[in-house]
Amino acid sequence: EDQVTQSPEALRLQEGESSSLNCSYTVSGLRGLFWYRQDPGKGPEFLFTLYSAGEEKEKERLKATLTKKESFLHITAPKPEDSATYLCAVQAPAAGNKLTFGGGTRVLVKP
Amino acid sequence: GAGVSQSPSNKVTEKGKDVELRCDPISGHTALYWYRQSLGQGLEFLIYFQGNSAPDKSGLPSDRFSAERTGGSVSTLTIQRTQQEDSAVYLCASTFSGATGELFFGEGSRLTVL
Repeated sequence: EDQVTQSPEALRLQEGESSSLNCSYTVSGLRGLFWYRQDPGKGPEFLFTLYSAGEEKEKERLKATLTKKESFLHITAPKPEDSATYLCAVQAPAAGNKLTFGGGTRVLVKP
Repeated sequence: GAGVSQSPSNKVTEKGKDVELRCDPISGHTALYWYRQSLGQGLEFLIYFQGNSAPDKSGLPSDRFSAERTGGSVSTLTIQRTQQEDSAVYLCASTFSGATGELFFGEGSRLTVL
């Protein structure tokens, strides 16, 4: 069974204090790894797709990287508007087309 | 509308009652998912529809849960004889094809079972 574990569960940052979120996964044949952002009371919003080890994607202050066992979401010089829960998910052929999500990391950026 | 629409946004019901949750996907999206998110938890897969194929029901937690998708568009998730442990936010998502993990989520239906 596919497993996704995210750490830490919660992260408090000062504005401008860069940090990284971890997503460890166990799947039988990774089709893709996905990062989402979720604001309180809202549905998740897609950020990135990563397909193979060594791949990197960037968007504003966020950069996602992928290895064979884990993915990192780096937040560079965060701003208060980056406060959200960040979710990681994997998709594997053996599981059909469903996405298996991790528990998320709640990020709070204080001004 | 431009996004995935879910209704009701909030539903409070008594234990033992049946509830129906509705999802209007983005026009043209052939794949539709239902997920459940309990307080402070990640997303739990419930069911997946792709075009006219048989749905993947592997995530439904019990036979009290069922879902249908009519005309390849609107979907309804039905929970019969609700229990307190069914309290959660039920999220619907759609996408062009299930082969992509770029899902477009609605804002969810918050279900509270008293």
